[in-house]
Amino acid sequence: EPEVTQTPSHQVTQMGQEVILRCVPISNHLYFYWYRQILGQKVEFLVSFYNNEISEKSEIFDDQFSVERPDGSNFTLKIRSTKLEDSAMYFCASTRGDRVNYGYTFGSGTRLTVV
Amino acid sequence: GQNIDQPTEMTATEGAIVQINCTYQTSGFNGLFWYQQHAGEAPTFLSYNVLDGLEEKGRFSSFLSRSKGYSYLLLKELQMKDSASYLCAVSSNTDKLIFGTGTRLQVFP
Repeated sequence: EPEVTQTPSHQVTQMGQEVILRCVPISNHLYFYWYRQILGQKVEFLVSFYNNEISEKSEIFDDQFSVERPDGSNFTLKIRSTKLEDSAMYFCASTRGDRVNYGYTFGSGTRLTVV
Repeated sequence: GQNIDQPTEMTATEGAIVQINCTYQTSGFNGLFWYQQHAGEAPTFLSYNVLDGLEEKGRFSSFLSRSKGYSYLLLKELQMKDSASYLCAVSSNTDKLIFGTGTRLQVFP
């Protein structure tokens, strides 16, 4: 079964450093997303991306965050200057639009720890 | 505002049936999803309802009433591996998902 692949699985970084989280969505999917989940809390929407541009972003997704699809396969989330409160599990998701059968497929996540 | 409510925790016995409820108030509605999430793992898709009624998929069924802003996930013939968090999520008038806090289900032998 096709998967959304995320790397790295764990990342520890110092406060103020830049991090790039990488995702390879399912190849025939057209819509891409980043969500995050702070430990013990609910999954929160960050940003959606379609046709090479951001289609929606949440209040969390401020100027410190950016997304990019640098080639036909990768989808990245960059945090320019990390803060302690950015520590969370970050999930990439994708969909081809067929919600009934497939919904949104989530990757296994990157656990980001800011120290 | 956007609000999705579900119970925090539930327990059940192996072989039993459990119903997990979800109520929602969102600015728009474009479908309701149920996801299963084991600790430290990604949410995995269980079901999608956009019209009123019951959708059945093997041991799992999901029900939706749009007029009541209500859904439930029904799990039959519970197995130990069903111990997980169950997330209710609504797609409002855009395609982002708004998640509830999740219901942690523990299945006991």
